[in-house]
Amino acid sequence: AQSVSQHNHHVILSEAASLELGCNYSYGGTVNLFWYVQYPGQHLQLLLKYFSGDPLVKGIKGFEAEFIKSKFSFNLRKPSVQWSDTAEYFCAVRTSNTGKLIFGQGTTLQVKP
Amino acid sequence: NAGVTQTPKFQVLKTGQSMTLQCAQDMNHEYMSWYRQDPGMGLRLIHYSVGAGITDQGEVPNGYNVSRSTTEDFPLRLLSAAPSQTSVYFCASRIAAQGEYEQYFGPGTRLTVT
Repeated sequence: AQSVSQHNHHVILSEAASLELGCNYSYGGTVNLFWYVQYPGQHLQLLLKYFSGDPLVKGIKGFEAEFIKSKFSFNLRKPSVQWSDTAEYFCAVRTSNTGKLIFGQGTTLQVKP
Repeated sequence: NAGVTQTPKFQVLKTGQSMTLQCAQDMNHEYMSWYRQDPGMGLRLIHYSVGAGITDQGEVPNGYNVSRSTTEDFPLRLLSAAPSQTSVYFCASRIAAQGEYEQYFGPGTRLTVT
């Protein structure tokens, strides 16, 4: 069965620091990849998505992610975080065979002003 | 469009009670799904539907029933609530099961079972 693993459960950064959140998945076939963000008290919002083409995708609010097929990874990056980026971040994978969207455990990001 | 709507926003149940969480979307999406969100476990898929009259189980289906009689609605039923079902429940929809489509989430229902 497909699974998604996010290595960092809780990350604390100071403003202007760079961010990289890891995401690995287990599935050998074609995948669609997503990062969602959940700000405190709100529901999930899509940050970025990868379906095909350029493996480096850019999303909203300065976030980007790189799909490395050989490593089954889709890490999220941001060069300089802001206090307003404090939120929970979820990686999700959808496989071509089932269409089910499976989430990782989530990473809580706390940015100190 | 209202998008994906969920009712109620909050609910407290006693063990053994039953209830239905409502989910509706007005985007004519074929695919709908239910997730539960628990601390440290991310979102886990409970049930999903690829169209009216078709439902299937996700990762954690036990204790929950669903039906899909119309394209718009996808209610989630708890037949006999248990404290382990205390969670935040999210409904989601997208145009179709396959294809490069974004999934939209509702605002969630926070359920507490005592």
